[in-house]
Amino acid sequence: TQLLEQSPQFLSIQEGENLTVYCNSSSVFSSLQWYRQEPGEGPVLLVTVVTGGEVKKLKRLTFQFGDARKDSSLHITAAQPGDTGLYLCAGPADTGRRALTFGSGTRLQVQP
Amino acid sequence: DAMVIQNPRYQVTQFGKPVTLSCSQTLNHNVMYWYQQKSSQAPKLLFHYYDKDFNNEADTPDNFQSRRPNTSFCFLDIRSPGLGDAAMYLCATSRDQLGGYEQYFGPGTRLTVT
Repeated sequence: TQLLEQSPQFLSIQEGENLTVYCNSSSVFSSLQWYRQEPGEGPVLLVTVVTGGEVKKLKRLTFQFGDARKDSSLHITAAQPGDTGLYLCAGPADTGRRALTFGSGTRLQVQP
Repeated sequence: DAMVIQNPRYQVTQFGKPVTLSCSQTLNHNVMYWYQQKSSQAPKLLFHYYDKDFNNEADTPDNFQSRRPNTSFCFLDIRSPGLGDAAMYLCATSRDQLGGYEQYFGPGTRLTVT
C-alpha cells in the first residue's frame, strides 16, 4: 500500500514568514497533487506535478516534485492569514483504482 | 461556473434515523466519489462511481450506501447513523484520465448525530 507522510503536522507562524511543507513516500508516484482546505469547506486543487524535478509556481507558492517522484514540497513565501488551512498532498493509488492516496495533512495557521 | 454542489451544508439527524446527503455536478465528469472526513484528518474514501459502476472500499461499513441515478447526481445514504458517523462528508468528481484523477470537491455536508 502506498503511503504519503506529511510534515509538519501543524505549523503556526506569523504573517510574512516563509515555510515549507513536505510530502514523502517510499513509493514512486506518477504524479502528485496539492490541495488546500479552508475550515468548513472542501479541498481545492492547487497544482499537479508530473515530471521528476518539476517546479511549479502559483503566486507565492512554489511546488517541487522530487527527481525520483517519491516526494514533493510546498514552499510559501511571505505567508498571509489567507493561507491558513489544511494542506493535503495526494497521488494516484497503486491498485488501479480510480482513487487518490491522501497524505495525513499539514494544518497551517498564519497569525496576523 | 461548473461546480460540485452539496446539499444540505449542515444536517442534523437522530441516532438510528436514516439520512440522505446529495451531490450534484455540472462538470460532466464520469467519476464521482464520497469521502468521510473527521476533525482535520485526511478525507477517507467510502466509495466511488465510474459512470454507473459502483466501487466500494473494503473497509466501508454496510451502513453506508450510495446511488447514482444519472451522471449529474449522486446520493449518500446512511441507514442507521451512529454517533461515530458524525463527520464532514465530501463529494468529489474526476474525469477518467490515465494516472491523474485530479478531484474537484464540493463544499461538504457537516453531519451531526444526536
